[in-house]
Amino acid sequence: GDSVTQMEGPVTLSEEAFLTINCTYTATGYPSLFWYVQYPGEGLQLLLKATKADDKGSNKGFEATYRKETTSFHLEKGSVQVSDSAVYFCALMRTGGSYIPTFGRGTSLIVHP
Amino acid sequence: DVKVTQSSRYLVKRTGEKVFLECVQDMDHENMFWYRQDPGLGLRLIYFSYDVKMKEKGDIPEGYSVSREKKERFSLILESASTNQTSMYLCASSFGRGSPTGANVLTFGAGSRLTVL
Repeated sequence: GDSVTQMEGPVTLSEEAFLTINCTYTATGYPSLFWYVQYPGEGLQLLLKATKADDKGSNKGFEATYRKETTSFHLEKGSVQVSDSAVYFCALMRTGGSYIPTFGRGTSLIVHP
Repeated sequence: DVKVTQSSRYLVKRTGEKVFLECVQDMDHENMFWYRQDPGLGLRLIYFSYDVKMKEKGDIPEGYSVSREKKERFSLILESASTNQTSMYLCASSFGRGSPTGANVLTFGAGSRLTVL
């Protein structure tokens, strides 16, 4: 079945550091890929998405590129801020499938001033 | 903005009580979901509904039931709450099977934190 594997956290960084959160997936066909973010005390919200190979999703300074050859969708940001402290979830959804996403377990990011 | 509203942010219940968690969305979404979120386990799907009165079991349906009598409302029911159901519960909704790209983005509520004593 489909699966999403994320690096375990927490990831602890100083403000302005470079961020990478790794995400790899297993799925048949060509799924859509997502990053969701959950700020403290809130539900998840979409951060960015990509629907086909080599697409780059971007939002709020975050980027992720859909790499079919390595089945990866790593999240990056060049300079993190304290306000980026949150839990980040990678997810996939099969096109034409049941429209139920498969989520990774989440990676907690803590950014210190 | 799409809004998914969960009626209770925090609940404290006793073992054996019947618990209702309510969720309402205002964007005419066909799909609605109930997840529970526990540290180290991520999100686990409890139930999914793709239409009024339709439901499908997710990964962990035991001890839960759901009701969807109207398109905008999806209720999660704990018939007899137990301490191992203490958790954060997240409701979400999305467009239905007709989305052209398949990138059906989920919109989540803020969550309901349930404590069962």
